[in-house]
Amino acid sequence: GAVVSQHPSWVICKSGTSVKIECRSLDFQATTMFWYRQFPKQSLMLMATSNEGSKATYEQGVEKDKFLINHASLTLSTLTVTSAHPEDSSFYICSARPRGSADTQYFGPGTRLTVL
Amino acid sequence: GNSVTQMEGPVTLSEEAFLTINCTYTATGYPSLFWYVQYPGEGLQLLLKATKADDKGSNKGFEATYRKETTSFHLEKGSVQVSDSAVYFCALTPSGNTPLVFGKGTRLSVIA
Repeated sequence: GAVVSQHPSWVICKSGTSVKIECRSLDFQATTMFWYRQFPKQSLMLMATSNEGSKATYEQGVEKDKFLINHASLTLSTLTVTSAHPEDSSFYICSARPRGSADTQYFGPGTRLTVL
Repeated sequence: GNSVTQMEGPVTLSEEAFLTINCTYTATGYPSLFWYVQYPGEGLQLLLKATKADDKGSNKGFEATYRKETTSFHLEKGSVQVSDSAVYFCALTPSGNTPLVFGKGTRLSVIA
């Protein structure tokens, strides 16, 4: 089956530093990737949608200068949390939609970010 | 707009009990409907889906039927196991290449 990986699986950083999270589709090409944030015991909040080769579309309330998304290839998207603060601590999940699929998404295992 | 409402948990059941997790939706057009499952410490996995009215999705003993007349997609399983303990998310995607819209999730705990 289709596999999506995320790296790192967890990261702890100091306040003010930047953290990059990678999302890779391992065995398929993903024209669209999505980034979600999940708070404890809550649902997934869509942060942004990224299409390969174009700028990401951010959801209302998500700061695009703070959460930089790059979708450089059909198998890789990155999320960089810039100048992280404790309130950015969360579980970040990516998903990838295969080329030619209208309603299928495969999810990565998530990245736990803790900002001290 | 598009939204998904699912019953709040947590739900605690004994092993072999019958499970129902209610899910209703609001959407324009004809959405595809999904149930995702998140096991402890893991990412979301697609459990089942249905793409048109009266379709029944099924997987691992779980079933859900796309009911357009009641705008519902309730998840059922006849006999739950401890290994089914997880958080279950109902979701939809409107027609076309649009992001998933998730419900808030329902935590299920099955005790032996």
